Order: sequence, then C-alpha cells, then structure tokens
Amino acid sequence: QITLKESGPTLVKPTQTLTLTCTFSGFSLSTSGVGVGWIRQPPGKALEWLALIYWDDDKRYSPSLKSRLTITKDTSKNQVVLTMTNMDPVDTATYYCAHRGQRGDFFDYWGQGTLVTVSS
Amino acid sequence: DIQMTQSPSSLSASVGDRVTITCRASQSINTYLNWYQQKPGRAPKLLIYGASSFQRGVPSRFSGSGSGTDFTLTISSLQPEDFATYYCQQSYSTPPTFGQGTKVEIK
Repeated sequence: QITLKESGPTLVKPTQTLTLTCTFSGFSLSTSGVGVGWIRQPPGKALEWLALIYWDDDKRYSPSLKSRLTITKDTSKNQVVLTMTNMDPVDTATYYCAHRGQRGDFFDYWGQGTLVTVSS
Repeated sequence: DIQMTQSPSSLSASVGDRVTITCRASQSINTYLNWYQQKPGRAPKLLIYGASSFQRGVPSRFSGSGSGTDFTLTISSLQPEDFATYYCQQSYSTPPTFGQGTKVEIK
C-alpha cells in the first residue's frame, strides 16, 4: 500500500525559503521508473506541477520556477525534499507530493497536501 | 510549455445524466493524457491514464478517449459521488501541465 505525507511549515514570511518533506512508504525510490513529484494548488485555483525526481536522481523542474526550486531524495529514509527560495504571497497554496509510477509521468498516489501561507 | 484547455469550466447536471468534459492540447500529445478527480479539501485522484486506460478501482461509468490534441472524459451516468472538479494533465513533455479544471455541480 503506497502512502505519502507532506510535512513542513504552515506559515512562512516573504523572502524566506520553504522546505517541505515528503515521507513515503509502500515503494522504493530506487526502483527503476519510479519518481516523486511536487504539485501545488493555490486556494480555489488549478493544479500546478513544480518538480519531479526520478529513481536515477534525474530531476525536472517547472521552467517558470526552476531558479527557485531544488528537489532531492534520501532513499534510505524514504523521503523527498523540496526547497523553494524567495517565497512570496502568491506562493500561498496547498503543496502535494505524489508518486510517479513506472507507466509514465502521471501521479497515481498523492499525499493529503499541506497548506503553506506566505505572509508577514 | 504545452497548454491544456478544458471545456466547459463548469457544468450543472443531474444524477443519471451523461456528462462529457473536453480537454484540448496546444500541440499533439499522442495519447499522453491523464484525468484526475478532485473533491473539496481532498487530493486529486487518478481516474484515467494514457487517454483511455482505467486506474485500478475506478468505476466503469468513467471513460476516456482521444488522441493528438483532442480528448474527452465521459461519465455515462452521473452519480452523487461524482460531483467534483476534474483535471486533465499531459505527460508528453516536461513540464507535465494541467488543465484549468471542470467543476461538475448538482443541478
């Protein structure tokens, strides 16, 4: 049974760096074809893909946010960490991590999400 | 980036209705098209991948079709639990972009 859970601060100040951790179980991020992605959703708005890390440590980023994002994995801890620098109120959103299976770049299991508010 | 456009943005329907949601890609994406359902306060749930393949456990009243740039998600007989927002997502190229969503409401 695959599960994922996001953790991190619920409130950050403008210009600060956000660090979110995705802790997962039920799969290994060393299995060929597997990945973990981050997707966010501002209140009342659509989903926006942020980043994806693959089993072989290949990393992909949203072109519009690439300069602010870093995604890393710790296979031994079953964790993926996303950092986003220079946070702004427009980055207020629910942040989800999700499992990318071997069938392609879509997400078949999602965490519950964590709401991050950016405010001074 | 490949732009994904869904129509309509919202619709009202009754239980038992047949509902069709359309997703159009700004360029050909073959059949690299996926559909998600999201209920308020919940994470999205994968329904369909590869344009027409069912995710395990998804009711058979849901179906997907299309290729190239035009895709549809059909609910053959709308059930009370189907009132939600539906998103398409292309997985043809990075970034894997989502549509803006279609909210299905009770009539």
